[in-house]
Amino acid sequence: AQSVTQPDIHITVSEGASLELRCNYSYGATPYLFWYVQSPGQGLQLLLKYFSGDTLVQGIKGFEAEFKRSQSSFNLRKPSVHWSDAAEYFCAVGANQAGTALIFGKGTTLSVSS
Amino acid sequence: DTEVTQTPKHLVMGMTNKKSLKCEQHMGHRAMYWYKQKAKKPPELMFVYSYEKLSINESVPSRFSPECPNSSLLNLHLHALQPEDSALYLCASSQGYDRVEPDTQYFGPGTRLTVL
Repeated sequence: AQSVTQPDIHITVSEGASLELRCNYSYGATPYLFWYVQSPGQGLQLLLKYFSGDTLVQGIKGFEAEFKRSQSSFNLRKPSVHWSDAAEYFCAVGANQAGTALIFGKGTTLSVSS
Repeated sequence: DTEVTQTPKHLVMGMTNKKSLKCEQHMGHRAMYWYKQKAKKPPELMFVYSYEKLSINESVPSRFSPECPNSSLLNLHLHALQPEDSALYLCASSQGYDRVEPDTQYFGPGTRLTVL
């Protein structure tokens, strides 16, 4: 069965420090992988996605993620965190079929300290 | 432009009320989705419309009734809800088919629903 695991429920990072959020997936075929961010009371904003090709993908707001098939991982990184990055981050896997559900991880809450 | 709009932003209703949530997109997407999200949880899929036809109903209670009047609009009609239905209701849309890239869902800002 498809599943997504985000091992870290809550992470606190100092402003200006680097960030890595972990995501592991279980999927039979080549997965479509996504990272979304959700600010309090808001909808989900797409940060980046991966489906094939270069395993290092660049997204918006200075985020990047690396797909590692051998580790079934798709970790999100940012070299220097800003206070406005404080939010909930969801990793998701999509089926290789349009119009079907995204399978979300439980999310990681990012807090940024000054 | 990847904008999905939702109205209203907030809704408070009693258990005997009838209300509707509205979602709109003008990206030419042919798949539209309703998700329910409780606090501190990931979104849970409720319904999918593909080419204006209901394609997925995740065993949602009949007090939630979706409607897709045209390819740009998606409604969720609410009737006789329970307090436990209070949540953030998210609409999303996607192109509805896989081409060079995978089908990618874009979300609206959500409607915060409170049932008294």
